[in-house]
Amino acid sequence: DGGITQSPKYLFRKEGQNVTLSCEQNLNHDAMYWYRQDPGQGLRLIYYSQIVNDFQKGDIAEGYSVSREKKESFPLTVTSAQKNPTAFYLCASSDRDYSYEQYFGPGTRLTVT
Amino acid sequence: RKEVEQDPGPFNVPEGATVAFNCTYSNSASQSFFWYRQDCRKEPKLLMSVYSSGNEDGRFTAQLNRASQYISLLIRDSKLSDSATYLCVVNMVIGNQFYFGTGTSLTVIP
Repeated sequence: DGGITQSPKYLFRKEGQNVTLSCEQNLNHDAMYWYRQDPGQGLRLIYYSQIVNDFQKGDIAEGYSVSREKKESFPLTVTSAQKNPTAFYLCASSDRDYSYEQYFGPGTRLTVT
Repeated sequence: RKEVEQDPGPFNVPEGATVAFNCTYSNSASQSFFWYRQDCRKEPKLLMSVYSSGNEDGRFTAQLNRASQYISLLIRDSKLSDSATYLCVVNMVIGNQFYFGTGTSLTVIP
């Protein structure tokens, strides 16, 4: 089955630690995205990548970093510089050459204490 | 001004009712439009794309009005399972960025 996987589903970290969230897709999509969702709020774009080895900052990139070394993978690192890292993190991908529809992974719920 | 604006609701409707959600977008260059459904503590899932001519999928009808820059979603014969948050999404194509509304909450009551 084609789709997007994110791991882990729940993640707990102590303040001051960096943490990397995994996102893998086998949909052969060029574009991948990371969003953050806080309770009762909409999705906010952190980073996006239209092609391998290239990525752009979204609206709230401060305190985050990404890499795009493979088409299938777009990991997100939440650094200790991120002031309020506790949130629901969603990875998505889209096929810009066909439908532009965006598909989401199941999300990672990060709690930092 | 937000790129996409939605009435957050909540909408509480009885089973069998018809309910409509509207969404406005600010950038006239927007080219692709979608409705997503998000259940509590889950990821958004594509409900339907919205085409210029309007489109229907079972009990769901989506409309696009480019002149007024709004998108609508009509749900007929509401089911308990329709309870969720509905997100309006717009894609600019150039830059391939997606802009999300904050969502409209729907609860269907028995």
